[in-house]
Amino acid sequence: DGGITQSPKYLFRKEGQNVTLSCEQNLNHDAMYWYRQDPGQGLRLIYYSQIVNDFQKGDIAEGYSVSREKKESFPLTVTSAQKNPTAFYLCASSPRDRELDTIYFGEGSWLTVV
Amino acid sequence: GQQLNQSPQSMFIQEGEDVSMNCTSSSIFNTWLWYKQEPGEGPVLLIALYKAGELTSNGRLTAQFGITRKDSFLNISASIPSDVGIYFCAGQPLTISNFGNEKLTFGTGTRLTIIP
Repeated sequence: DGGITQSPKYLFRKEGQNVTLSCEQNLNHDAMYWYRQDPGQGLRLIYYSQIVNDFQKGDIAEGYSVSREKKESFPLTVTSAQKNPTAFYLCASSPRDRELDTIYFGEGSWLTVV
Repeated sequence: GQQLNQSPQSMFIQEGEDVSMNCTSSSIFNTWLWYKQEPGEGPVLLIALYKAGELTSNGRLTAQFGITRKDSFLNISASIPSDVGIYFCAGQPLTISNFGNEKLTFGTGTRLTIIP
């Protein structure tokens, strides 16, 4: 089945550790995104990438890093510099030249700092 | 980035009742989207609106793009238990680029609970 796969679904991080969330898509989409979701708030954009080997900061990029070495993959690293990393993280993708309504989301990853 | 004002924050209704929720913005938007999110899952697109005044239906769901381009409404008729979830609006401001998904702004969500 085509879609976006995020892993792991649940992740626990100790203070001071970096962790990486995986996002893979087999939809042949050019653009990929990472959003953060906190209770009572809308989705906030962390990073996005329009093409391979290129990515841009979103609204809340501090404490995060990404890479886009392959079209299918857009991993997000939550670094120790991120002061409040506990949240639900959503990866999304869309075709670059299509209309807006074809943005698809993965099932999300829960990150908890212990 | 700005966030949209979505209301109400939560709704408790009985099965069979109709539901209305809305989003407002201080900026003009070019596109309005409505998503539904179930617990622990990613949002799923319900309806997309592209023109001011547009009224679009998807089964029991109806959404409208406000005439002022600064608001949108979602109505659910005859609610059923599977309608439970969080409903998000999202807006895309006018951009000169034909690619601007990164500008998508989300509302804070309306949590719908159905009372048995």
